[in-house]
Amino acid sequence: EPEVTQTPSHQVTQMGQEVILRCVPISNHLYFYWYRQILGQKVEFLVSFYNNEISEKSEIFDDQFSVERPDGSNFTLKIRSTKLEDSAMYFCASTTAYTDTQYFGPGTRLTVL
Amino acid sequence: GESVGLHLPTLSVQEGDNSIINCAYSNSASDYFIWYKQESGKGPQFIIDIRSNMDKRQGQRVTVLLNKTVKHLSLQIAATQPGDSAVYFCALYNQGGKLIFGQGTELSVKP
Repeated sequence: EPEVTQTPSHQVTQMGQEVILRCVPISNHLYFYWYRQILGQKVEFLVSFYNNEISEKSEIFDDQFSVERPDGSNFTLKIRSTKLEDSAMYFCASTTAYTDTQYFGPGTRLTVL
Repeated sequence: GESVGLHLPTLSVQEGDNSIINCAYSNSASDYFIWYKQESGKGPQFIIDIRSNMDKRQGQRVTVLLNKTVKHLSLQIAATQPGDSAVYFCALYNQGGKLIFGQGTELSVKP
């Protein structure tokens, strides 16, 4: 069964450093998303991406965040200058149509020291 | 804005019993709802969904009920097993296609 994959599973970084989280969505999916989950809290939407551009973004997704689909398979989330409060699980999700079920990857745990 | 709330943060049941997890939402225009299961250290896993033109949908051992009048959603798990232990989230789609998640109910199954 096809699934969303994410790398790395765990990323530790120093405050102020740049990180890139990577995702490989399910191959025939067209809509891509990033969500984050701070420990013990609910999953929060960050950004949606379709047709090589951002469709919607949340208040969390400020100028320090960017997304890219550099090739036909990868979907990345970049945080330019990490802050302590960026520590969270980051989940990538994808779907065939924006009204259909989103399938989530296993997540990347980002720890900012 | 839209919000999704769960009634209980934790639920403990005996193995073999039925579990019911409840969820309330605020936006009466919401038309697509999903239940996700999240095991420790993993991403949300799709369980079952329901659209607003239905009030009940059944899967394998799971049933979702939707009451649009009171804006309430529930997940019923029949014959709960230890493998069902996880955090369960209800989520709804907003018009932009993003998911709005509730806080989650942690289900513990006692053997």
